[in-house]
Amino acid sequence: ETGVTQTPRHLVMGMTNKKSLKCEQHLGHNAMYWYKQSAKKPLELMFVYSLEERVENNSVPSRFSPECPNSSHLFLHLHTLQPEDSALYLCASSPGLAGDEQFFGPGTRLTVL
Amino acid sequence: DAKTTQPPSMDCAEGRAANLPCNHSTISGNEYVYWYRQIHSQGPQYIIHGLKNNETNEMASLIITEDRKSSTLILPHATLRDTAVYYCIVQSNSGYALNFGKGTSLLVTP
Repeated sequence: ETGVTQTPRHLVMGMTNKKSLKCEQHLGHNAMYWYKQSAKKPLELMFVYSLEERVENNSVPSRFSPECPNSSHLFLHLHTLQPEDSALYLCASSPGLAGDEQFFGPGTRLTVL
Repeated sequence: DAKTTQPPSMDCAEGRAANLPCNHSTISGNEYVYWYRQIHSQGPQYIIHGLKNNETNEMASLIITEDRKSSTLILPHATLRDTAVYYCIVQSNSGYALNFGKGTSLLVTP
């Protein structure tokens, strides 16, 4: 248990669906991250938020839309996804940005049909 | 950030020390060496990090060579639960983007 929770743990959706992934951290951290891990590929950083402001959008397609309403919650809104978007989506948090250890949630396993 | 090179896989007998090497020959002066691991189907877990001195915590030891071009993560008494992919990452103390690479898949056998 890292103090970072993600829901749902598994999600199957069609290409025309709209769904959201939720991440919550109970650690009092100021920075939160979304990563994508596709099969047999390294983790890819998608988005970074610090104090609820987005500081990085790593060339992610607009069908992925992040939202950070407060420093404890992070959402990833999904719409019109493609089958190649099927992956493990990991949320992480850290006390600050610079060089801090990141605490990861268990991930959401997403399958797009 | 500097790139790292790790062997793709290693085996270790349960109870023995697991020594995982990492090359980072282009590391610069303000870059730290971080180690994370990822047990199958879980999120990555931070293990340890260091700048130039050797470091030890309850999970592992980190040995960094004097020229800082390579390092070794040591799990002193490997258990079956240490089977995971281990990532060596070089990051500056002002950075936040972790470049995980492919890591080393460690298999601990009975």
